[in-house]
Amino acid sequence: GAVVSQHPSWVICKSGTSVKIECRSLDFQATTMFWYRQFPKQSLMLMATSNEGSKATYEQGVEKDKFLINHASLTLSTLTVTSAHPEDSSFYICSAPRGSYNEQFFGPGTRLTVL
Amino acid sequence: AQSVTQPDIHITVSEGASLELRCNYSYGATPYLFWYVQSPGQGLQLLLKYFSGDTLVQGIKGFEAEFKRSQSSFNLRKPSVHWSDAAEYFCAVGARPEYGNKLVFGAGTILRVKS
Repeated sequence: GAVVSQHPSWVICKSGTSVKIECRSLDFQATTMFWYRQFPKQSLMLMATSNEGSKATYEQGVEKDKFLINHASLTLSTLTVTSAHPEDSSFYICSAPRGSYNEQFFGPGTRLTVL
Repeated sequence: AQSVTQPDIHITVSEGASLELRCNYSYGATPYLFWYVQSPGQGLQLLLKYFSGDTLVQGIKGFEAEFKRSQSSFNLRKPSVHWSDAAEYFCAVGARPEYGNKLVFGAGTILRVKS
């Protein structure tokens, strides 16, 4: 149990286009989900907390108008990178908490390459 | 806010030798602590976790870690390293759910195994 999926697993897009990444909790419901970004050879950095039915909470320095987060249901959160640029190329990973300790279960990640 | 320090960026050990990866954290309360492993281009795999109770935690693949409150440490150990253990290892500290449930990752330690 506690499986989190992401789609797509990789995407290549042109500069200026928007890209949507989906994060789904397959066998449990999650009122919150988390989005992380990992640049090459770096650690994971929390970007935002996605809240079902309300606005996402963004970490300091993350542009909320560029990284649109929608938590439309208890099993789906989406991250849309708007007007993507090469510097947005990164590995994006989501997680969803479950259990009495709210342990976070991670998706497999989405590799975004912006040309 | 919590923080994590992994002082070793790279570690090289011989196959069959013992391993210890260091992790120090800063957090105002009793933390949740995790070790993850990541192979190149892959997602995160949870090795072990500490929430409460016994401070010596056993994980998968023969790994263990010990929570030492007095030293604010959660070092990862393995008695005999295999070539397949070569990867990047991340220590993470989690806030309790009532404090936002956020995970903060260390910078990571790259493990190289020489034959």
